[in-house]
Amino acid sequence: AQSVTQLGSHVSVSEGALVLLRCNYSSSVPPYLFWYVQYPNQGLQLLLKYTSAATLVKGINGFEAEFKKSETSFHLTKPSAHMSDAAEYFCAVSGGNRDDKIIFGKGTRLHILP
Amino acid sequence: GAVVSQHPSWVICKSGTSVKIECRSLDFQATTMFWYRQFPKQSLMLMATSNEGSKATYEQGVEKDKFLINHASLTLSTLTVTSAHPEDSSFYICSARGGGYTFGSGTRLTVV
Repeated sequence: AQSVTQLGSHVSVSEGALVLLRCNYSSSVPPYLFWYVQYPNQGLQLLLKYTSAATLVKGINGFEAEFKKSETSFHLTKPSAHMSDAAEYFCAVSGGNRDDKIIFGKGTRLHILP
Repeated sequence: GAVVSQHPSWVICKSGTSVKIECRSLDFQATTMFWYRQFPKQSLMLMATSNEGSKATYEQGVEKDKFLINHASLTLSTLTVTSAHPEDSSFYICSARGGGYTFGSGTRLTVV
């Protein structure tokens, strides 16, 4: 079984500051890991995904995440926050097999302070 | 890229009526479709997984007779909320698996 834990339901950073959203996973098989962003009343947009290739994954909008097996972590970072980054972010995991479902974390609301 | 069209984007219905939500994969074949439910300010909870031509597999606690899922073709899956009640009001999102995971834009259901 797979699960993810997102540390911090709310994170506030100043515009221009580093964004760090934490995610730890649990998986009985080599996982696929994802970060999604959701704006109010909208669907999900994939930021990036890890599928057992390079451990440092670069995504859209300047985001990246590093898979650390020893720490069972997949934290999301961005060097410089923009006001437009304010949204809900979800870390998610799947088992990687053909029909494996994606299991989502509880989400982290990112607030950007002017 | 892969696109999943989900309709309607929002719907208001009266208590006791049924509502159908459609998800279509526009440029790929969705061998597996996942249906999620999201309560306000909460995460996405998986409701069920359906494979084309097979019965859906429901997660524990999800009433299969209330949330009817049909995946009759490789490009279309539907979720029907039967005899809807106000507590069924939620945001429903589908996700199609066909080489990757592609999410629909969601349906906001309000039962009055």
